[in-house]
Amino acid sequence: AQSVTQLGSHVSVSEGALVLLRCNYSSSVPPYLFWYVQYPNQGLQLLLKYTTGATLVKGINGFEAEFKKSETSFHLTKPSAHMSDAAEYFCAVSDGNAGNMLTFGGGTRLMVKP
Amino acid sequence: DAGVTQSPTHLIKTRGQQVTLRCSPKSGHDTVSWYQQALGQGPQFIFQYYEEEERQRGNFPDRFSGHQFPNYSSELNVNALLLGDSALYLCASSLKGRPNYGYTFGSGTRLTVV
Repeated sequence: AQSVTQLGSHVSVSEGALVLLRCNYSSSVPPYLFWYVQYPNQGLQLLLKYTTGATLVKGINGFEAEFKKSETSFHLTKPSAHMSDAAEYFCAVSDGNAGNMLTFGGGTRLMVKP
Repeated sequence: DAGVTQSPTHLIKTRGQQVTLRCSPKSGHDTVSWYQQALGQGPQFIFQYYEEEERQRGNFPDRFSGHQFPNYSSELNVNALLLGDSALYLCASSLKGRPNYGYTFGSGTRLTVV
């Protein structure tokens, strides 16, 4: 069985500061890893994904994440937070089989202070 | 290029009633998955449809059922509604055999059971 743990249900940063959202996973097979963002009353938008290849993945809106197999982590970072980054962020894992289900973490609400 | 379309966007039902939610996948996608997102939580996998058959199912009771049509669109049916079924229901589409393409989510249907 797969699982995802997101450390910190709420993270608050100042505008311009580094954003770090933590995600640890467990999977019995090589995982596919995803970060999604959800704005209020909206669905999920894909920020970035890791499937194979380069372990440092760049996504939209200046976000990036690094797959660290030894640490079973896939933390999301952004060098400089913008007010528009305030949202709920979800880390998810699938086992890489075609069309297989996503297992989500509980989410991290990012707040950006002016 | 149209993304995933869900209808209705909101609805209110009474306990014991039945509800049907609808989803049209992104153009070119052939697999539809449904997720339930309770308030303040990450999405939970309900089931997945491919080639008009249920392929995978999460830990949801038989009150939750679905269907996929030849044009790949899908319905989620919930019978004997409970207050605990109140949630945002998300549809995600993908392409079988191309897990690295990721999943595209719709904006969801907000179901309130009173």
